[in-house]
This record gives sequence, C-alpha cells and structure tokens, in this order.
Amino acid sequence: DVKVTQSSRYLVKRTGEKVFLECVQDMDHENMFWYRQDPGLGLRLIYFSYDVKMKEKGDIPEGYSVSREKKERFSLILESASTNQTSMYLCASSWVSQETQYFGPGTRLLVL
Amino acid sequence: GNSVTQMEGPVTLSEEAFLTINCTYTATGYPSLFWYVQYPGEGLQLLLKATKADDKGSNKGFEATYRKETTSFHLEKGSVQVSDSAVYFCALTRGSARQLTFGSGTQLTVLP
Repeated sequence: DVKVTQSSRYLVKRTGEKVFLECVQDMDHENMFWYRQDPGLGLRLIYFSYDVKMKEKGDIPEGYSVSREKKERFSLILESASTNQTSMYLCASSWVSQETQYFGPGTRLLVL
Repeated sequence: GNSVTQMEGPVTLSEEAFLTINCTYTATGYPSLFWYVQYPGEGLQLLLKATKADDKGSNKGFEATYRKETTSFHLEKGSVQVSDSAVYFCALTRGSARQLTFGSGTQLTVLP
C-alpha cells in the first residue's frame, strides 16, 4: 500500500512565525504536491515538484516556499505565517507515468 | 483555462436512495477525469477515473461516464449507504506533472 505521511495532524502557530510542514512518501514517487483545502473552494495547488531539488509554482504560491532535498520528502514552508493561511494542507504524490495521486491525511493549521 | 464546476452541496439522502452529483468541466485538450472521496478525518482517496471520451469509471457501486459532448462527468450510485457519507471531489488533470484541478467538493450525508 502506498503511504503518504504528514508530520502533524494539527498545528497552532502565531502570526509571523516560520512554519514547516513535512510530507514523506514511501513509494518512490517522482511527483509530489502541496494543496490547501478551504470550504467552498475545494483543493488549490500551492507548489509541486517532479524531481529532487526541482519545484514549480502552482495556482496560489504567494506566501509559501518548498524544499525537496530527498526524493521521498517534500516540505512546505510558510516564511511568515499570517491568519489567512489558516487552512487544511494536503500533500500528495504520484509516479510520473501515472495520473493517480495519493494523498496524506492532512495538517490542519491554525494561525492566531 | 481549465476548471471544474461541481454541484453545490450539502446533499442529504436516506439510505438506499439514488445519488447523482453533477460535475462539468472546461479544459483544453483531452484531460483525464477523476472522482476523489474524503471520509471524515482523512485525506483524499481515488474513487474512480476515466481517461478518454465515453469511458466509464466504476468502483464500490459508484459510476461516472466521460461525456465529451456535454463536458460532464456526473457521479451516480443506485443505492447509497450510511458509510458513503463523505465529501466528493471531481477533478481533471493538466500539465506535465499531471497536476489536478479540483471542483469545490460536495458533502454527502446518508441517513439511516
């Protein structure tokens, strides 16, 4: 079974803090993705990566950055957290030869 | 650009009722179409998919047919169960890494 894990299920941070969300997959997937999920908006793509050290902006990259130093790990970084970044963050991964994405359980982030 | 429009929710049904969740899309080219499901407290998981026009995806009693002429991919199930209560997302692929574009999601509640 494909497993995608995220470092925290719930996180509470203060405005201005630097926040790291980590994602690890165990299936040697080339592609990894970060989405945020908000009610009524579905999932929106923040960043994705198709290889180690490679990254591409998604639809809403502002206020975020990412890091992929190892194939199995993809980190989302909020350089200076703001209240409008309160959301559910979902990581996903996939093989380059297939379209199905496998999702982690999500991290619910609250920025106060 | 690419977009997915999904039936507004929430939807509440009695057990054994017929389910339809509408999904229409706008896309360049010929994307693959997906239905993902999110059970309470979990990440998304693939429910079914179709990769070309007139394909029918099916899984766990759910079905959806890729209709190019109406640009639709409506989800149906003949007899829903309480365990089907979840949020359902319609999505399409785009781009070199097969990024997903999601609809806004439809919350389904099935009452015993």
